[in-house]
Amino acid sequence: EPEVTQTPSHQVTQMGQEVILRCVPISNHLYFYWYRQILGQKVEFLVSFYNNEISEKSEIFDDQFSVERPDGSNFTLKIRSTKLEDSAMYFCASSTGLAGGPYGELFFGEGSRLTVL
Amino acid sequence: TQLLEQSPQFLSIQEGENLTVYCNSSSVFSSLQWYRQEPGEGPVLLVTVVTGGEVKKLKRLTFQFGDARKDSSLHITAAQPGDTGLYLCAGDGGKLIFGQGTELSVKP
Repeated sequence: EPEVTQTPSHQVTQMGQEVILRCVPISNHLYFYWYRQILGQKVEFLVSFYNNEISEKSEIFDDQFSVERPDGSNFTLKIRSTKLEDSAMYFCASSTGLAGGPYGELFFGEGSRLTVL
Repeated sequence: TQLLEQSPQFLSIQEGENLTVYCNSSSVFSSLQWYRQEPGEGPVLLVTVVTGGEVKKLKRLTFQFGDARKDSSLHITAAQPGDTGLYLCAGDGGKLIFGQGTELSVKP
């Protein structure tokens, strides 16, 4: 069964360092997303990506964050200068159709846990 | 900003009991989805409800979308330990806003 894969599963970094989280969405999916979940808190939307550009982003997704689909298979989230409050589980997701719509089932990866020290 | 409020936040019950989880908003949603998340994993979709008043059943789980499309409920009949997990409602086309979740624990 096709699945969304994420690497690394856990990354520990020093505050101020750059981090790149990688995702391989399901191959025939068209919409890609990043969410994060701070320990004990809700799943928060960061950004959605369609047709090689950001379609929507939340207020969390500030200039420190960027996304890229460099080669048609990977979908990356970069955090330029990590802060302590960036520590969270970051989930990548993909869908065939628009999220919430008839073909908008989001398939989530298992997450990348980021710990900023 | 559309918000989804879930209640209760925590629920601990005995095997065999019934339960209902609620998802409420002051906003109208074109659809709502229910996901289940287990520790260390990403959420997994259970159902999408689209039409106001719609009821969908998934074995012992019954999902209802409110007539005004502002709320939804999840009812579990005869809960089993395998139902333990975090139940999340999510809505809003395009980006999916999640509720804070209901942590369900079913004890044998």
